[in-house]
This record gives sequence, structure tokens and C-alpha cells, in this order.
Amino acid sequence: SQTIHQWPATLVQPVGSPLSLECTVEGTSNPNLYWYRQAAGRGLQLLFYSVGIGQISSEVPQNLSASRPQDRQFILSSKKLLLSDSGFYLCAWSANTGNLLFFGPGTRLTVL
Amino acid sequence: AQSVTQPDIHITVSEGASLELRCNYSYGATPYLFWYVQSPGQGLQLLLKYFSGDTLVQGIKGFEAEFKRSQSSFNLRKPSVHWSDAAEYFCAVWGGARQLTFGSGTQLTVLP
Repeated sequence: SQTIHQWPATLVQPVGSPLSLECTVEGTSNPNLYWYRQAAGRGLQLLFYSVGIGQISSEVPQNLSASRPQDRQFILSSKKLLLSDSGFYLCAWSANTGNLLFFGPGTRLTVL
Repeated sequence: AQSVTQPDIHITVSEGASLELRCNYSYGATPYLFWYVQSPGQGLQLLLKYFSGDTLVQGIKGFEAEFKRSQSSFNLRKPSVHWSDAAEYFCAVWGGARQLTFGSGTQLTVLP
């Protein structure tokens, strides 16, 4: 069966520091991968999605970036965090031709 | 572009009572619709989905939802809630272009 992992589970970072969140999927090949952000008391906002290695689409302008160095690895990064980057970050995957998303456990990021 | 409205931010019900969470969507074509549940600090778990066919769909944990095209609605129901159902519930619509758009969520509190 397929599983999706995210780490770290929680992270506290100062403003201006870099960020790297990792997501990996097991048990499937060539998945579509997604990064969502959930700010406190708000819904989920799609940040990035990827249909293959090195293929990244950005949905909203921001100081975050994403990369997909391997088929089942998706990384969310920032060079300098802002206070507004605080939130709950969720990675998700779907089959390449599918529209059914499966979510990881999430990373709670607090920027101080 | 597609959108989802969950008009109830917070709902409180007593254990054993029935539950209905409202969801209205906006999408030009036949939608693919989903309900997800999120426990505190956790990722999202798929409850049920509607792609086509029977407009009453059954999901996990005793939940069901009914698609009503004329009302652009996809309301979630459960005949008898359990304390473990306390969580946040998200309705979502797939609008193509690998876009899963979420509502802002409904927080469910269950009273003993």
C-alpha cells in the first residue's frame, strides 16, 4: 500500500532563517505531488504541484519554492522565512491520471 | 474557476444526535466532490467522494453525502454522531488542471 511521510512534524524557526520541509511517498510510481498550506482558522491553499521530476507549478506568488529531485520526493523551501509563513503544511499525492488526493500528516511551522 | 462554500464555521451537536454539514460548490461542468476530515494536528483523511452515478454516496465511519446538482450542494450526513467524530470537516471540488479546491472547513464539537 501507499504511504506518505513528512518531516519534521513540527518546526520553530526565527524570521529570516531558511526552511526545508520534506515529503516522500512510498508504494507508487510517478505520482502527482502537492504542497498545501493551512493557516490558523483558514482553509487549505494550494502552493505547488508537480507532475514529474523537475516539473513544478506554482499557484501563488510567495517567498517559498518547491523542488522535486526524485520521483517520490517533494521539498518545500525558503531562503528567508517571514512571520506570515507560519502555518500547517500538508503534502499530498495522487495517481498521475487521478484526482483523488491522499494527504500526509503535516508539518506545523511557527516563525517567530 | 471553481469554489466551495461551507456556510457553517462551527457546529455543536450532542452525542447520538444526527448531523448534517453543508457544502455548496461552484463549477461549470460535472464536479468531482470530496469530503475530508482532519483531527487536531493531523493530516486530512478522505471520508467519501462523488464522481458520477448514484447521487447518495457512502463513506467511512458511517458518513454519507448526497449530491444535488440543482442546488449545487454536497451535504455530509451521519445519523448518530460519536464523540470521536469531533474534528474539522472539509468539502472539496476537483476542477481539473490538477486543482482540488477546498472550502474553509466546519469545526464539529460533540457534547457528551
